Amino acid sequence: ELKVEQNPLFLSMQEGKNYTIYCNYSTTSDRLYWYRQDPGKSLESLFVLLSNGAVKQEGRLMASLDTKARLSTLHITAAVHDLSATYFCAVDMETSGSRLTFGEGTQLTVNP
Amino acid sequence: ETGVTQTPRHLVMGMTNKKSLKCEQHLGHNAMYWYKQSAKKPLELMFVYNFKEQTENNSVPSRFSPECPNSSHLFLHLHTLQPEDSALYLCASSQVEGYEQYFGPGTRLTVT
Repeated sequence: ELKVEQNPLFLSMQEGKNYTIYCNYSTTSDRLYWYRQDPGKSLESLFVLLSNGAVKQEGRLMASLDTKARLSTLHITAAVHDLSATYFCAVDMETSGSRLTFGEGTQLTVNP
Repeated sequence: ETGVTQTPRHLVMGMTNKKSLKCEQHLGHNAMYWYKQSAKKPLELMFVYNFKEQTENNSVPSRFSPECPNSSHLFLHLHTLQPEDSALYLCASSQVEGYEQYFGPGTRLTVT
């Protein structure tokens, strides 16, 4: 059974600071996704990581994938309040016929 | 309308009621998904349809009945629900099964 673990689950940080969210998964996967969810809203796709060593950046967010370590990171640079949301990683497990398994989510609060 | 839409956005129903949730995607996709998001739990995949054929039923109780009349529409028929079924129900679509998923805004369901 595929397990996807995120940490931390709750993160409170000050504006201007840097931090990293980690996503570990338990079995082989080719694809990893990061989503953002604002309170009461749906999931917004942030990044799709398709291969080992993939790195993608959008604004203050940068995601990377290490398939050998079964680890993805979401790095936040110089956080701003608008980044406050819940961030989910999701892993596509080949043996499950391409089903996404989601982590529990990291609730990020950026304080002024 | 663009993207993935869901109606209603909020629904309150008694345990003896019958109701339906509707999802429509305007992206020309061929795969559609139902997810359940409960408080403090990871997103749970419920059903997957690929080219109108159900390809996944993730051990969902029979009080939830999906219907996919065509690639653009997906329904979730609800009957004799339990209070623990209260959750946010999210619909998603992708080009085909296994590709990046795009989520609708969700239906917030409360069972009384």
